[in-house]
Amino acid sequence: DAGITQSPRHKVTETGTPVTLRCHQTENHRYMYWYRQDPGHGLRLIHYSYGVKDTDKGEVSDGYSVSRSKTEDFLLTLESATSSQTSVYFCAISDSGYEQYFGPGTRLTVT
Amino acid sequence: AQKITQTQPGMFVQEKEAVTLDCTYDTSDPSYGLFWYKQPSSGEMIFLIYQGSYDQQNATEGRYSLNFQKARKSANLVISASQLGDSAMYFCAMRTNGGFKTIFGAGTRLFVKA
Repeated sequence: DAGITQSPRHKVTETGTPVTLRCHQTENHRYMYWYRQDPGHGLRLIHYSYGVKDTDKGEVSDGYSVSRSKTEDFLLTLESATSSQTSVYFCAISDSGYEQYFGPGTRLTVT
Repeated sequence: AQKITQTQPGMFVQEKEAVTLDCTYDTSDPSYGLFWYKQPSSGEMIFLIYQGSYDQQNATEGRYSLNFQKARKSANLVISASQLGDSAMYFCAMRTNGGFKTIFGAGTRLFVKA
């Protein structure tokens, strides 16, 4: 299994507060992704990275920002959390850009 | 526009029988990859199988095979000899060579009955 961790695993926060989720990998894979999973929608891509400091938007990027200052870490920030951002967030990594290996997920609740 | 469609929200199969999970896709890119992932109730996402658009043969991985019909734009997952541990959510996904993005279908929940 790919070495990929996410922190925190669970978080409850209030509307309007900033939140940062961390994805950490030990596989030295080039590509990293952030997805959100909601019932009926499968997984939707928020942002992805194709190298250190190289990131781009996915299909649901509004309200989210990312940073990747090191190969192993990819941070997802909700600048001002809203209830619509309550979701399960998955990080994924890939060395080829094709098959992806997923972290355990972070369950975020915004009250 | 690129799209993945899984039309079966839920499926039941008897233990030890084979089951086919449907997936259709839409893309104008001639080069693409198709994937299946499994998500058990514990929540993790597990990569199962990959099929490239130029691959001549259907992909197989143990009890999993991908029935790739390019002209019909379908990439169905076949699980042979179902086991109770196969009960999970299954997602079909596609990545095109034109970008780094992978899009996922809404998923099919499979229930294996003893």
